[in-house]
Amino acid sequence: GEDVEQSLFLSVREGDSSVINCTYTDSSSTYLYWYKQEPGAGLQLLTYIFSNMDMKQDQRLTVLLNKKDKHLSLRIADTQTGDSAIYFCAEAWTGKLIFGQGTELSVKP
Amino acid sequence: DSGVTQTPKHLITATGQRVTLRCSPRSGDLSVYWYQQSLDQGLQFLIQYYNGEERAKGNILERFSAQQFPDLHSELNLSSLELGDSALYFCASTGGGLTGDTQYFGPGTRLTVL
Repeated sequence: GEDVEQSLFLSVREGDSSVINCTYTDSSSTYLYWYKQEPGAGLQLLTYIFSNMDMKQDQRLTVLLNKKDKHLSLRIADTQTGDSAIYFCAEAWTGKLIFGQGTELSVKP
Repeated sequence: DSGVTQTPKHLITATGQRVTLRCSPRSGDLSVYWYQQSLDQGLQFLIQYYNGEERAKGNILERFSAQQFPDLHSELNLSSLELGDSALYFCASTGGGLTGDTQYFGPGTRLTVL
């Protein structure tokens, strides 16, 4: 069945780049998403990529998609302490979203 | 602010009770999705409604039910509550309810079952 995997933790220093990785199983997924969840808050849509794209850039965020390896990554440039949160990748499948477990990003000053 | 509202924000109740969670989608959106976020199961899709009709069902327990009303708001009913039902319940909305339509999430309802 469909499955989305992420590493659970990532720690970086302020000003460095963060790279959060995700693998998914359903090769027919047309859209892949990144959501951010801050403590006690809901899910905020960060960005998404269509499956016929390799890369999408949006200000400090860069999404890379390797469809052959079913690998998705989110790069955050110049990471700030305000970026500390849990980041979820999700694939759209038959209308619903299948989420990974979330990667907790910790940004140290 | 996504434009999706959920009430209440927090709910504390006892085992065996029944609760109703409410969601109002973004203006103009026809489709509502419900998700459950728990420590052991992560974020799981429960059910989708489109313009009042059930469209897709996920891992939703038989003790749970939902509906979408003519004004497009939705309610998730949880009955015979168990300790394991304690979780964050999110709703999301989209315009057309199609795969690939971006889902915008509400702030969630935190349910605690004691």
